[in-house]
Amino acid sequence: DTAVSQTPKYLVTQMGNDKSIKCEQNLGHDTMYWYKQDSKKFLKIMFSYNNKELIINETVPNRFSPKSPDKAHLNLHINSLELGDSAVYFCASSQEGGVGVGYTFGSGTRLTVV
Amino acid sequence: KQEVTQIPAALSVPEGENLVLNCSFTDSAIYNLQWFRQDPGKGLTSLLLIQSSQREQTSGRLNASLDKSSGRSTLYIAASQPGDSATYLCAAYSGTYKYIFGTGTRLKVLA
Repeated sequence: DTAVSQTPKYLVTQMGNDKSIKCEQNLGHDTMYWYKQDSKKFLKIMFSYNNKELIINETVPNRFSPKSPDKAHLNLHINSLELGDSAVYFCASSQEGGVGVGYTFGSGTRLTVV
Repeated sequence: KQEVTQIPAALSVPEGENLVLNCSFTDSAIYNLQWFRQDPGKGLTSLLLIQSSQREQTSGRLNASLDKSSGRSTLYIAASQPGDSATYLCAAYSGTYKYIFGTGTRLKVLA
């Protein structure tokens, strides 16, 4: 299936741990994104990568480090997890970054920090 | 700085009713505006995308309009059904590699 896939779907971890979320798209898109949806359901951009280069870093703590090994993958690594990091994280991709065409979201990773 | 607002925040209607969801944005310099649907615990599904040069888009019972000059978009749902119950999000794209999302309208259609 052509899609944006994220793993894991659910992640429960303790404060202070380091964790990673993986994202892969097989749509041939050149731009990938990470969004965060907080407890109030507000969705906000975190990072954007175009052709493996960082385009956007929206005032995200440097405990969050995205890594794009190739155009089809954008992983999110989080160090020293805090309670406030609990949220749903969505990966997305789009074709021809810059005009928002073909924007496709993954199904999300629900992160719970205890 | 683009800000997107949606009203109402929540809406409950009986089945069969026609309804309108509102979205307003502060910066009219957008490439497009997109409406998404989000079901509980699920990802986002794109419903309609309106390019800045368009006034409206239709898909089945859904019709979305765009008025850039006034900074408004509406999503019209005809003959609502219980299966339409979800959160509806509008998002504005300003050509900066990101969508700015509204806070969403939680819709419940009662059988």
